[in-house]
Amino acid sequence: DADVTQTPRNRITKTGKRIMLECSQTKGHDRMYWYRQDPGLGLRLIYYSFDVKDINKGEISDGYSVSRQAQAKFSLSLESAIPNQTALYFCATTPAGRTGGTQYFGPGTRLTVL
Amino acid sequence: GESVGLHLPTLSVQEGDNSIINCAYSNSASDYFIWYKQESGKGPQFIIDIRSNMDKRQGQRVTVLLNKTVKHLSLQIAATQPGDSAVYFCAENTPSYGKLTFGQGTILTVHP
Repeated sequence: DADVTQTPRNRITKTGKRIMLECSQTKGHDRMYWYRQDPGLGLRLIYYSFDVKDINKGEISDGYSVSRQAQAKFSLSLESAIPNQTALYFCATTPAGRTGGTQYFGPGTRLTVL
Repeated sequence: GESVGLHLPTLSVQEGDNSIINCAYSNSASDYFIWYKQESGKGPQFIIDIRSNMDKRQGQRVTVLLNKTVKHLSLQIAATQPGDSAVYFCAENTPSYGKLTFGQGTILTVHP
């Protein structure tokens, strides 16, 4: 869905490198989320943001940080990448006022850490 | 140590059959439920949702059933088509958490 875009779509990096994944949305939503998906597992929440000044940790935030640069932009950083951070990463958005409601997902970023 | 990936439940059907995908949710306080479809190489896409004050909701070729007594959710797809082949996730919203909790997913394969 072009309303939520993620860059890069694929990335291969080495252990110890810092990497940033970016998410942009044109839906005008206040709430944005970062998830990771591993083979055979569901989506697990890393961080979420209800507005530009509100950042919250999800269930697996260790080793990650985020920045909400604007309403439309939410980036995820891996400070020092490690191989078990190899996964598919998704950004999602939701309108304000719909706590945990229907989320709209980006196409994903496939990250490989060697 | 490394975690071991789980094998997702799978459902194989013939084109034209009806499909039923099941999901057990965890929190009796959850008030809103969503089914998502994820095709290979894509992000999850919304299919249908249901609030806890309902037990059935119908969309185009899809029906969601909610049984709060046993905390069970199902997705029925009528006249399944090859394009329905994907991984299907249920998600629950628990108001006190302020975010969705996703199930593991079920792989649906539709054979022509």
